[in-house]
Amino acid sequence: AQTVTQSQPEMSVQEAETVTLSCTYDTSENNYYLFWYKQPPSRQMILVIRQEAYKQQNATENRFSVNFQKAAKSFSLKISDSQLGDTAMYFCAFTMWTGNMLTFGGGTRLMVKP
Amino acid sequence: EADIYQTPRYLVIGTGKKITLECSQTMGHDKMYWYQQDPGMELHLIHYSYGVNSTEKGDLSSESTVSRIRTEHFPLTLESARPSHTSQYLCASSAYEGVENTEAFFGQGTRLTVV
Repeated sequence: AQTVTQSQPEMSVQEAETVTLSCTYDTSENNYYLFWYKQPPSRQMILVIRQEAYKQQNATENRFSVNFQKAAKSFSLKISDSQLGDTAMYFCAFTMWTGNMLTFGGGTRLMVKP
Repeated sequence: EADIYQTPRYLVIGTGKKITLECSQTMGHDKMYWYQQDPGMELHLIHYSYGVNSTEKGDLSSESTVSRIRTEHFPLTLESARPSHTSQYLCASSAYEGVENTEAFFGQGTRLTVV
């Protein structure tokens, strides 16, 4: 079975600064996907960024980038130039290559302070 | 616009009542999921479906039941609601396979309170 661990229950960052959220996972699979999802307060969960395990290049989406370390089974999210709208719960998630169910980490609550 | 819808958004109901939480998606996705999100915000998979007439229980034991008679519809039913069922319920869907289609789309959730 796969497990996903987010070791930071809560984090805060000043507006315009950079913050990194940690995620580690455990799997015996070689082909899989990793995701970061964002859940703003009382709003819909949305995908932030996706990484395919076979790709060595780290995924980036505007201010969001990941540091994917396959051997270490680590998948951290870096948010640059943090904005107030980044305040949300962030979930790291895993799914196998065949696209089965998502396994989520426990989440990290991020607060961006003005 | 393709999306996934959950109704109701909020529900307060008495103990012992039967309730059905609705979930519909317009994306033609084969896979659908129900997650229960506890006050600490952790997500637990309670049911999933790979297609019509396919339903499976998830990692977290739940007294709820689901059905999948149509591709777009995946309702969750509690025959007799109890206060322990108070939680947020999130519905999600995803396409079957393929790099670009593994993203799961989530509904806005139903916040259920059983009094």
